[in-house]
Amino acid sequence: AQSVAQPEDQVNVAEGNPLTVKCTYSVSGNPYLFWYVQYPNRGLQFLLKYITGDNLVKGSYGFEAEFNKSQTSFHLKKPSALVSDSALYFCAVRATYGNNRLAFGKGNQVVVIP
Amino acid sequence: GAGVSQSPSNKVTEKGKDVELRCDPISGHTALYWYRQSLGQGLEFLIYFQGNSAPDKSGLPSDRFSAERTGGSVSTLTIQRTQQEDSAVYLCASSLTLGERNEQYFGPGTRLTVT
Repeated sequence: AQSVAQPEDQVNVAEGNPLTVKCTYSVSGNPYLFWYVQYPNRGLQFLLKYITGDNLVKGSYGFEAEFNKSQTSFHLKKPSALVSDSALYFCAVRATYGNNRLAFGKGNQVVVIP
Repeated sequence: GAGVSQSPSNKVTEKGKDVELRCDPISGHTALYWYRQSLGQGLEFLIYFQGNSAPDKSGLPSDRFSAERTGGSVSTLTIQRTQQEDSAVYLCASSLTLGERNEQYFGPGTRLTVT
């Protein structure tokens, strides 16, 4: 079964500095990978996805993620963090065949310090 | 257009009571999912529906949990004889189809508190 690991519970970064949120995955075959963000008292919002093609994927709000097959990683990045980026970030993976579940990581709390 | 809506937004119930949580997916979305989000536990898959196909119920934690989807649209998650460990935020999501490429759109959730 597919699974996701987000190794850091919380990521603290100063406003204006680069932000990285780490994600590694395990899946049979090729993965479909997603990042979601959850603001306080809100549902999850889709940020970006990797399906195929270019390993660097650009998404909403200036975020991007890089698919690395050899390292089974899909780290989320933003060149310059904003205070408004403070939220809970979830990485998710789905197999290209087999069951249709989307497996989520436990989430990373990002705190951007003014 | 309208997103996924859920009701109620908050529900407080006594242990042993039954509760029903409702989800209205995005119009035209054929796939619907239920998840449970507990503090520090991430998202736990519960069940999904795709069109008229039999739902995948393999994520339901016990036989106290059940879900229906009427007319291929609105879904209701029912928890019978609630327990304190059922306290969590229950999230509903929908996607255009069940295809792997389609991202899921989430509702705001129902926060369930069992006292």
